[in-house]
This record gives sequence, structure tokens and C-alpha cells, in this order.
Amino acid sequence: GAGVSQSPSNKVTEKGKDVELRCDPISGHTALYWYRQSLGQGLEFLIYFQGNSAPDKSGLPSDRFSAERTGGSVSTLTIQRTQQEDSAVYLCASSLVGPAINQPQHFGDGTRLSIL
Amino acid sequence: GESVGLHLPTLSVQEGDNSIINCAYSNSASDYFIWYKQESGKGPQFIIDIRSNMDKRQGQRVTVLLNKTVKHLSLQIAATQPGDSAVYFCAENSGYALNFGKGTSLLVTP
Repeated sequence: GAGVSQSPSNKVTEKGKDVELRCDPISGHTALYWYRQSLGQGLEFLIYFQGNSAPDKSGLPSDRFSAERTGGSVSTLTIQRTQQEDSAVYLCASSLVGPAINQPQHFGDGTRLSIL
Repeated sequence: GESVGLHLPTLSVQEGDNSIINCAYSNSASDYFIWYKQESGKGPQFIIDIRSNMDKRQGQRVTVLLNKTVKHLSLQIAATQPGDSAVYFCAENSGYALNFGKGTSLLVTP
């Protein structure tokens, strides 16, 4: 597609449930990133994929968070046993090649996750 | 730890005036900087970037200035328009990720 696509755009779920967030990067982009943005805050890095591999998982807040990428394209971020503090906007970005080559990351519009 | 920060959390300007948004960074090893614009309910939108071997870069109505001596970055918007109202973030490369500041809210008044 023309830009990074994320789904769903909004998700409301009960505490303790699992959620799965999807990101479809810009076609041809090999690098994919997940960030989290809490209300009125900057962006917090979660994880980076180069192709299907995630060389850096250090930003994941806890072991309830996991992510995968298949076929070098679509990525899913899964949060298990959701907690209220997981409420945030989850943003996905992609770039043509990895971060070692300085270039902009292009963002989707995010999934707004609300945990009741 | 080292971080990227913004001097002014909010900025109000009149339509037609020029806007200047400032950003201080503390990681002297950073060699790449980006400005993003974020409108309500949207993801950050790339505006302009600059590498550390440059002092200035111009785009359409926007200019980014980099002062490595004092580790300062600024975004200048010429002839500010109502559509420029948004939150602006500066970001620096930090390993695999971009390190974002908390943002400056720009409000353009008629």
C-alpha cells in the first residue's frame, strides 16, 4: 500500500484478555519498528525487525509482550493478560533498510488500545 | 541518561508568522535527526531530516538548523498556516530506534 497500515484502529478490551495488533509496512521496506505512545507523551521504542528477525527486543516492557514478522512483511504485536497500564497508542513504522543507514521511519496511524 | 528534549511545550503563533520550534539533545554521538508532525489521532508524519555533517537543510516552507556545538536543533516554519497546528517532535537516532522528545504543541491562530 501507499503507507503503513495498522489494524484495528481502536481496540477496547477487558483486563486479562489477550490482544493482537497488526502492522502492514510500506511495500519493499525491510525494517519494521513498534513504538508505544502514552497520552501526551513521546514515543517509547518496543521492538525492531530486520526482515523476519528481531535483533533488539530490549524495549518490550514485559514477557506479556511478544511480536513476530512473517514473510518479511506483516507484523503482529501480541499482548497477553492485558493490564490497565497497557492502555496506549501502539504505533508501527517502517523504513526501506535498517537503522544503520540513517533514513526516516514512516509511521502508521496506530492502534488505540484501551484496557477496561 | 542522555535524552532528547524540547525547550517549549506549547507555542502559539498568528497565521502568516514564522514559527521556530527548538530541541536540545544531549547525546553527542547522535548523527541523524528528524522532525515529525503529529496531528490528533494520526501517526507521526515525517517533515525533514538532517545528518550531523550538515548545519542547515531546507524543505518546502521548513528549515532545520543543527548546532552541534551546543547540541541544539530547531525547526523553522515559514508563513505558518492553520494546517500547521499539531504537535512537533524531534528525534535522534539511538541504536535501532529513534529517541523522541515529548513534543511541542503548535497552535496557529487566525
